[in-house]
Amino acid sequence: DAGVTQSPTHLIKTRGQQVTLRCSPKSGHDTVSWYQQALGQGPQFIFQYYEEEERQRGNFPDRFSGHQFPNYSSELNVNALLLGDSALYLCASSLAEGPGKAFFGQGTRLTVV
Amino acid sequence: GNSVTQMEGPVTLSEEAFLTINCTYTATGYPSLFWYVQYPGEGLQLLLKATKADDKGSNKGFEATYRKETTSFHLEKGSVQVSDSAVYFCALSDQDFGNEKLTFGTGTRLTIIP
Repeated sequence: DAGVTQSPTHLIKTRGQQVTLRCSPKSGHDTVSWYQQALGQGPQFIFQYYEEEERQRGNFPDRFSGHQFPNYSSELNVNALLLGDSALYLCASSLAEGPGKAFFGQGTRLTVV
Repeated sequence: GNSVTQMEGPVTLSEEAFLTINCTYTATGYPSLFWYVQYPGEGLQLLLKATKADDKGSNKGFEATYRKETTSFHLEKGSVQVSDSAVYFCALSDQDFGNEKLTFGTGTRLTIIP
């Protein structure tokens, strides 16, 4: 059983560019959450998708947007990249109606230069 | 809003030493509490959880007890191993089911010396 898979694993972008990160949830999971983990910090909640809609959102600007597809996979898009967007982006999947237990992917390391 | 405060690291211990990593939280209501571990180059893995006051979560020799009166969830292990070297995150969720939004502490880096 594949767990949560994220792609790509590493990415280098230039300031001002746009980036798309991808996540496939654990088999059977229907909810995807995205987190940003800056170096030396704990993960910060960006947003969560369920039934192809954004259900919750953290304190992140509108430059951060997402999408969930009918197969439950998800994308995170960041526009107008800033140097401060450099971080590890983590995807977590879970069941909306199940006991609380989020499974995390290995993350995408984004570097903005 | 919700917040989690963790003991700052890094923490360095000798093999077989006793481990305590402190965690306190601020939340409305009755949150669920978690410890996650992050090994080098990997994502987060759930280590243990507790969903109500006085619950004890345990896994792989690690334990933590949900103390509502002190708003704490300290992680303990009686005898650490080199393989326990990792970053440990305390987290909380104020929702019951899989749609939880997790609030994390800043993490504590643990290094075990043989």
